[in-house]
Amino acid sequence: GAGVSQTPSNKVTEKGKYVELRCDPISGHTALYWYRQSLGQGPEFLIYFQGTGAADDSGLPNDRFFAVRPEGSVSTLKIQRTERGDSAVYLCASSSRGGEETQYFGPGTRLLVL
Amino acid sequence: AQSVTQLGSHVSVSEGALVLLRCNYSSSVPPYLFWYVQYPNQGLQLLLKYTSAATLVKGINGFEAEFKKSETSFHLTKPSAHMSDAAEYFCAVTDGGATNKLIFGTGTLLAVQP
Repeated sequence: GAGVSQTPSNKVTEKGKYVELRCDPISGHTALYWYRQSLGQGPEFLIYFQGTGAADDSGLPNDRFFAVRPEGSVSTLKIQRTERGDSAVYLCASSSRGGEETQYFGPGTRLLVL
Repeated sequence: AQSVTQLGSHVSVSEGALVLLRCNYSSSVPPYLFWYVQYPNQGLQLLLKYTSAATLVKGINGFEAEFKKSETSFHLTKPSAHMSDAAEYFCAVTDGGATNKLIFGTGTLLAVQP
């Protein structure tokens, strides 16, 4: 079946602008994760959804970052007043139930803030 | 807090040679451990995972890893490297909390020389 998909694949924006990044998880997966991967680093956790609710948002760097998953499927990561330091690859992953279940990753959205 | 250390940010081997990528974790409680591979401009693909069953875990593409609790290690090996193995490899551990979010190492870039 289809894997995790993310759109757009690339996003270039100007400092101060608002961006939305979309994630379509594997059908039926209740758990959804967002990670951020900076150049030369491993991915870092941002937020975890179980169903519609954000069960853990401890990785969000500040209140400019927000994510939603209103129907328990597609999720949108929203970044307000973007800064150059937000430039990174944003990865989405889903798993069937969370916990020790394998997380399957999407191809990522490469965000460049000029 | 959990952490993962990958020794060697760059590893170069000859085609046909043994591949050994090192990973050590910090935990007093046996975690779930994963190896992911990332090809250029692609998302993360699961190679293998350890979830407290057999300590020697076999994965895809001929890779395997051995969980050694006494050494807190989970090194990745492959007996004979192929050119197609050139990629970046990430070791990850679950954080042990309710979320079981992944904590990643900084990655090892594997180059395979002809």
